Amino acid sequence: NAGVMQNPRHLVRRRGQEARLRCSPMKGHSHVYWYRQLPEEGLKFMVYLQKENIIDESGMPKERFSAEFPKEGPSILRIQQVVRGDSAAYFCASSHPNTGELFFGEGSRLTVL
Amino acid sequence: DQQVKQNSPSLSVQEGRISILNCDYTNSMFDYFLWYKKYPAEGPTFLISISSIKDKNEDGRFTVFLNKSAKHLSLHIVPSQPGDSAVYFCAASAFSGGYNKLIFGAGTRLAVHP
Repeated sequence: NAGVMQNPRHLVRRRGQEARLRCSPMKGHSHVYWYRQLPEEGLKFMVYLQKENIIDESGMPKERFSAEFPKEGPSILRIQQVVRGDSAAYFCASSHPNTGELFFGEGSRLTVL
Repeated sequence: DQQVKQNSPSLSVQEGRISILNCDYTNSMFDYFLWYKKYPAEGPTFLISISSIKDKNEDGRFTVFLNKSAKHLSLHIVPSQPGDSAVYFCAASAFSGGYNKLIFGAGTRLAVHP
């Protein structure tokens, strides 16, 4: 009964590099959400995707951030030219299309040096 | 623009006593409210929820109360146990368009001590 799987759990990047975070939803789930948690803050919605479609990206920064959920394979959150302010925990959640209940992964912690 | 607010960043309670965590919201379109529990280095896990058509939902030691007129909800844990020590997030959503976009509060860190 595999839950939401995220990798890597920890990622260290230098300023200007790219970060790629991956999320495999629970079996049977076709909806993926990405949230970001900055230190001492709550989780902030970033983007909601279904297979091959971005449904709501209202929480995504306008530049450098992108997300995809291809037909095959995990969802990927991509951050280009990272800056120190991108250091955060990035959580992925998935839901069944009928119930809507979100199940979260353990998060990917990005540190930008 | 904080639509969901948890004004107490931390709470300390003695084991066996009641823990009360509070949450306020501003968006009257929210129709579903949830509490998540989070341990360090782990993802949030669902604890309990309540629909806006109810004012109380109980699950074992956990009870959530909703006061729609005040736009306020609270989580009661009775009796509190050391294993309850974690960060608790209040979340709200308006389940429309077929998906569940949760808006989270900043969290309250609960410490249950002997």
